[in-house]
Amino acid sequence: AQSVTQLGSHVSVSEGALVLLRCNYSSSVPPYLFWYVQYPNQGLQLLLKYTSAATLVKGINGFEAEFKKSETSFHLTKPSAHMSDAAEYFCAVSGLSNYQLIWGAGTKLIIKP
Amino acid sequence: NAGVTQTPKFQVLKTGQSMTLQCAQDMNHEYMSWYRQDPGMGLRLIHYSVGAGITDQGEVPNGYNVSRSTTEDFPLRLLSAAPSQTSVYFCASSYDSQPLNSPLHFGNGTRLTVT
Repeated sequence: AQSVTQLGSHVSVSEGALVLLRCNYSSSVPPYLFWYVQYPNQGLQLLLKYTSAATLVKGINGFEAEFKKSETSFHLTKPSAHMSDAAEYFCAVSGLSNYQLIWGAGTKLIIKP
Repeated sequence: NAGVTQTPKFQVLKTGQSMTLQCAQDMNHEYMSWYRQDPGMGLRLIHYSVGAGITDQGEVPNGYNVSRSTTEDFPLRLLSAAPSQTSVYFCASSYDSQPLNSPLHFGNGTRLTVT
């Protein structure tokens, strides 16, 4: 069965520090993987996605994620955090149906000044 | 450029009442869907549609109905509200009929409380 685990419901980093948000997945078929971001009182928007091309995927706002099949991971990183990055981040994997995504529980990123 | 519009933003219902959450998109998207977002659980798919006249169930369809009479609109009906349906509801659409192939565009959500 398809599933997603995001380690840490809250992650706090200082402004300018490295951001690392962890996502591990389980999939019985080659997966599509996604990171979406939700700013306060808004809907989600796509940050980046992996579709079996390059394993290092670059997204918007300086974020990137690396697909590691051996570790079943798709961690999200950004070299230097900005205050504007404070939001909730969701990892998702393709379901067994092409019409569904399976979502992680989300990680709230807190940026300390 | 409105995108995905959800109404209302907030709603309080009593147990047993019914209501319809509205969702409209102006992007001519084929795929539309409804999710509920609960703390610590991420998003769960309620129902989805791949075009006018076509709907299907997601992970948690019980207690909800949908219809898709036009490309633009995808209302979600709560038949008899229960406290377990207290949640934030999001409507999302995508250009491709399969959300793997094009980004999901989300509305700003409806916060529903059932007492």
